[in-house]
Amino acid sequence: GAGVSQSPSNKVTEKGKDVELRCDPISGHTALYWYRQSLGQGLEFLIYFQGNSAPDKSGLPSDRFSAERTGGSVSTLTIQRTQQEDSAVYLCASSLEGAREPQHFGDGTRLSIL
Amino acid sequence: RKEVEQDPGPFNVPEGATVAFNCTYSNSASQSFFWYRQDCRKEPKLLMSVYSSGNEDGRFTAQLNRASQYISLLIRDSKLSDSATYLCVVNMKTHGNQFYFGTGTSLTVIP
Repeated sequence: GAGVSQSPSNKVTEKGKDVELRCDPISGHTALYWYRQSLGQGLEFLIYFQGNSAPDKSGLPSDRFSAERTGGSVSTLTIQRTQQEDSAVYLCASSLEGAREPQHFGDGTRLSIL
Repeated sequence: RKEVEQDPGPFNVPEGATVAFNCTYSNSASQSFFWYRQDCRKEPKLLMSVYSSGNEDGRFTAQLNRASQYISLLIRDSKLSDSATYLCVVNMKTHGNQFYFGTGTSLTVIP
């Protein structure tokens, strides 16, 4: 079966532009998570969706970041007016509901802001 | 205090060696525990879940100590292909179904 799919794989854009990252979770997974990871660093939590609602947005670093999920499936992470410090790998993960269910990650989107 | 803490290493061990990593977590109400493996410039991949009784998968053994709030991963007969960063992950239902990641322990197995 298909795993978590993220697009684009790589994105290079100029400072100040808006970018939209997409995540297509594993079918049937109700929970969806966004993280980012800078080179050589650990995972930084951004936001978590349960169905279409986001119980925890605490990790979004600024109001330039937003995310939505529709139909309990695909999610998009939007970064407005990108800055160079936004350069990182953005990882999406999904899981079934239940404390014992592990997360499964997509390959990530490598974002580079020039 | 971070929710999950790991020794970042690096651990450099010869092939065939046994190596152990520990991870501590802060919330006693934590419900489930996992070890993930992350190769350079790749996404994290689930290595194994950690159960209260401890569990083994081939050369890998995971243990959970709830009283002391730590989990461990033991790798026996290390292979070159075991070289990676190992992430400790704890699930807590503080804001829904939330996962907390350690910063990872780097392992290099040397020929």
